[in-house]
Amino acid sequence: DAGVTQSPTHLIKTRGQQVTLRCSPISGHKSVSWYQQVLGQGPQFIFQYYEKEERGRGNFPDRFSARQFPNYSSELNVNALLLGDSALYLCASSLRTGDSGANVLTFGAGSRLTVL
Amino acid sequence: QQQVKQSPQSLIVQKGGISIINCAYENTAFDYFPWYQQFPGKGPALLIAIRPDVSEKKEGRFTISFNKSAKQFSLHIMDSQPGDSATYFCAASPSNTGKLIFGQGTTLQVKP
Repeated sequence: DAGVTQSPTHLIKTRGQQVTLRCSPISGHKSVSWYQQVLGQGPQFIFQYYEKEERGRGNFPDRFSARQFPNYSSELNVNALLLGDSALYLCASSLRTGDSGANVLTFGAGSRLTVL
Repeated sequence: QQQVKQSPQSLIVQKGGISIINCAYENTAFDYFPWYQQFPGKGPALLIAIRPDVSEKKEGRFTISFNKSAKQFSLHIMDSQPGDSATYFCAASPSNTGKLIFGQGTTLQVKP
């Protein structure tokens, strides 16, 4: 079975540009979450989506946005990139939300974003 | 405000030894405590998790010890192997939300 897949795996952008990262959850998983992992630190929660609705948002500026599609895949968009946005962006999926199954997250390998 | 504090930052253990990583949390609303293992270039992989209704959970060589009153939990890796060399993250989650709060991570090196 395919796990959580993310694309692209690596990308380089310059300050001020915009980036779109994509995620396909495990088949049957309806909830997708996004995390930012800066080098040497633990992942930080950005968004959670379930059934195309935003269910949670972390402490990130409005330059960060996301959406979930009817097939449960998701995109993370970051506008007006800053040097500090350089990080590994992780997508995680879970079966559902609102019960004990919500916490069991499976992560993808991530998209490594470098902002120059 | 850091809600999950992890220590040590790095750890070196001889093959066959016991690796111990500790975490402390502040928010009493947390009720799910997983440990993730991450290898370079990979995403975090769930290793073992515990809920506060038990004080210990064991899966193979990995054991979580949980102290609800002290708001602390720890990962013990028995008979540590070079293949266990990775970065380990503890995390905590409020009830049924799917939002994980991660610790800063511990880089484990197991020497052969």
